[in-house]
Amino acid sequence: AQKVTQAQTEISVVEKEDVTLDCVYETRDTTYYLFWYKQPPSGELVFLIRRNSFDEQNEISGRYSWNFQKSTSSFNFTITASQVVDSAVYFCALGNEYNTDKLIFGTGTRLQVFP
Amino acid sequence: ETGVTQSPTHLIKTRGQQVTLRCSSQSGHNTVSWYQQALGQGPQFIFQYYREEENGRGNFPPRFSGLQFPNYSSELNVNALELDDSALYLCASSGPGNGSSYEQYFGPGTRLTVT
Repeated sequence: AQKVTQAQTEISVVEKEDVTLDCVYETRDTTYYLFWYKQPPSGELVFLIRRNSFDEQNEISGRYSWNFQKSTSSFNFTITASQVVDSAVYFCALGNEYNTDKLIFGTGTRLQVFP
Repeated sequence: ETGVTQSPTHLIKTRGQQVTLRCSSQSGHNTVSWYQQALGQGPQFIFQYYREEENGRGNFPPRFSGLQFPNYSSELNVNALELDDSALYLCASSGPGNGSSYEQYFGPGTRLTVT
């Protein structure tokens, strides 16, 4: 069975703090894809990153970075120097190689950044 | 380039009624996926349409049905509404491709309340 676990329900930080959102996944597939989405109060999901199971390189995009570790089935997301605009619900999701649009989402982590 | 749009924004229905939700896909996209997001949960995949045919379905009963039109817009129909159907319904489009892409674009959702 495929499953995504985001154990952190809610995180609160003060602006400029670094914060890491955890994601643990379960799958028996050898080829799979991992995603992070941001959901602001407006409701629509905003794509942040996609990773395939064969690419364990960490990625950095501005203040965002992702750490993919197959050995621990984790795909964690770090925001450096957080800002109030980062406040949102963040979802980790898992897709299989046959239909990468059919995503299995975690329950999300609500991040609140206070000024 | 027009993004994914959904209508209506909000909807209130009574248990037992039927509802139709609409989604216009992003220009150039031929695949539409529908997700149900209950309060405090991650989105759950309902089904996907690719070139007017259903192309995958999640664990939802047959009273959840859909259509995709030649212009690739889509409808989600839910019959015999139940209280548990109260949720945010998200539409996502992707493509062009074969029904499996690496990046979906989500609409703002329709908030359905069943009383």
